[in-house]
Amino acid sequence: GQQVMQIPQYQHVQEGEDFTTYCNSSTTLSNIQWYKQRPGGHPVFLIQLVKSGEVKKQKRLTFQFGEAKKNSSLHITATQTTDVGTYFCAGRLTGGGNKLTFGTGTQLKVEL
Amino acid sequence: ETGVTQTPRHLVMGMTNKKSLKCEQHLGHNAMYWYKQSAKKPLELMFVYSLEERVENNSVPSRFSPECPNSSHLFLHLHTLQPEDSALYLCASSPGLAVSYNEQFFGPGTRLTVL
Repeated sequence: GQQVMQIPQYQHVQEGEDFTTYCNSSTTLSNIQWYKQRPGGHPVFLIQLVKSGEVKKQKRLTFQFGEAKKNSSLHITATQTTDVGTYFCAGRLTGGGNKLTFGTGTQLKVEL
Repeated sequence: ETGVTQTPRHLVMGMTNKKSLKCEQHLGHNAMYWYKQSAKKPLELMFVYSLEERVENNSVPSRFSPECPNSSHLFLHLHTLQPEDSALYLCASSPGLAVSYNEQFFGPGTRLTVL
């Protein structure tokens, strides 16, 4: 079936190192949203991208939507312990109905 | 955050029990959702309601029965569940009617264990 895969599944970094998670879809996406879920918490919306090649920044976070609208990335510069959590991408798949399909998630751990 | 509340927060039930999960949103949103989050699996959309009408039913077994009496409340009625139904059940809401283009606000979830 149609899937949205994220890599890596897990990432351990030292505080201050950079981190990137990649989101790949089997079909074209109309949009891409990113959510963060802290351990024991619930997903919280971070951002939405809708245009091919779009790049948006939020402080140390940079979000990118691929030119073909089939992939996206989230890059965190100089990670902090507050960045710990699982990052999910989500998007509307072409032919997937009017709903968001969530990615498999990347769990980030930051060590001092 | 108190925009979307869910009760109970934890639920343990036997396979023959009947229980209900409740979700309430205080944000004035038009769409509400139920998701299932299992370990090592992506969030699975179960149901979507827009203006109190079900607009998406993602091939969910009939032992899960949703109810949306108004735009602020959403229920998930459970009966004769299986152990593999144990998971975190998340409710979410979003403004507007374009359900796939609006930011979703999630509740804290109900941790369900089926014995």
